[in-house]
Amino acid sequence: KAGVTQTPRYLIKTRGQQVTLSCSPISGHRSVSWYQQTPGQGLQFLFEYFSETQRNKGNFPGRFSGRQFSNSRSEMNVSTLELGDSALYLCASSWRGSQRSYEQYFGPGTRLTVT
Amino acid sequence: DQQVKQNSPSLSVQEGRISILNCDYTNSMFDYFLWYKKYPAEGPTFLISISSIKDKNEDGRFTVFLNKSAKHLSLHIVPSQPGDSAVYFCAASARSNDYKLSFGAGTTVTVRA
Repeated sequence: KAGVTQTPRYLIKTRGQQVTLSCSPISGHRSVSWYQQTPGQGLQFLFEYFSETQRNKGNFPGRFSGRQFSNSRSEMNVSTLELGDSALYLCASSWRGSQRSYEQYFGPGTRLTVT
Repeated sequence: DQQVKQNSPSLSVQEGRISILNCDYTNSMFDYFLWYKKYPAEGPTFLISISSIKDKNEDGRFTVFLNKSAKHLSLHIVPSQPGDSAVYFCAASARSNDYKLSFGAGTTVTVRA
């Protein structure tokens, strides 16, 4: 079974630009969550999508948005990039049929650098 | 507000010895706990989990202990192997919060040969 894939793996953008990151979940998984990882901060939850609907949202500004398509693939968009948005962005998928399904499966991440 | 805390940013242990990673949480509503392992340039990988109705769960060399009264859990790795060198994240979720995962900041484990 193919794992979670994220594209692109690396990205360099300048302040003020916008960026779109893509995530393809494991086949059969309907939930996709996005996290931001920065040094010393662990994984900060951005949002979760389930069946094309945003189900949960973390404490990030409105510049961070996402969506999910009917095939469960998800995209995350960050507008008006700031230097502090430089981070590893991780996508995770899960089945979400029972509590054990919250054993999320992560992709390799997209390393975003804002200059 | 960091609801899950891993107070030791790093741990160094000799190969063959026990590694003990600690995690504290503040939200008494958390009812499911997980440990993830992360190598550089890869996403975190699920390692082991425990429900709040249990106080111990074992899977091979990995054992997680939960002390609900102390709001504390720990991960024991016995024996430690060089391939265990990685960053370990503790995570917790609550049914009341729609099972959203809250992660700790991670502990970097280095296993010395």
